[in-house]
Amino acid sequence: EADIYQTPRYLVIGTGKKITLECSQTMGHDKMYWYQQDPGMELHLIHYSYGVNSTEKGDLSSESTVSRIRTEHFPLTLESARPSHTSQYLCASSYSRSTDTQYFGPGTRLTVL
Amino acid sequence: SQQGEEDPQALSIQEGENATMNCSYKTSINNLQWYRQNSGRGLVHLILIRSNEREKHSGRLRVTLDTSKKSSSLLITASRAADTASYFCATYETSGSRLTFGEGTQLTVNP
Repeated sequence: EADIYQTPRYLVIGTGKKITLECSQTMGHDKMYWYQQDPGMELHLIHYSYGVNSTEKGDLSSESTVSRIRTEHFPLTLESARPSHTSQYLCASSYSRSTDTQYFGPGTRLTVL
Repeated sequence: SQQGEEDPQALSIQEGENATMNCSYKTSINNLQWYRQNSGRGLVHLILIRSNEREKHSGRLRVTLDTSKKSSSLLITASRAADTASYFCATYETSGSRLTFGEGTQLTVNP
């Protein structure tokens, strides 16, 4: 079982609210990732980080933002949630520069009403 | 578009049968990995095969890689109901710095 944690596991909120999805790992991994995934569908990379103070946008455009102030922590923030943001958000980390084998958290299921 | 395309999109078999899933990709790779995802959960790494390897085994899993055809297959032998999950291939390109995931195959094993 990988030591990567996501909170909350489930979140139901109203439109317009600001939310932060937490992701933490205790493995000392440099690389961290956020994916968006609808049920039964493919993963879409929305943000990634290769270390402290390094963040990049992924392949899928997202209105969310991320920060990486500490190695172990990679939170994702939505300033104003909308129903179109309803999805599952998966956080992952990786230590290997030669294989990029990724370890995933359990995910946060977000529903915006 | 995704680097990895998986085939079939969905597969339904009976317990005890073998399940085969295929993955095709477009560019040169350093390695290819297979992951499993149970419904509503995160992905779990299953097995990695490097570009200079042709076949690899892990328990009931067998992975093959054909770099000339840019394809890989995952075979699960003697399937169990607990194998029901989505399976994703992911490629690490030679010129890249991170994994690219395929679209996944949904496997259902009926008891």
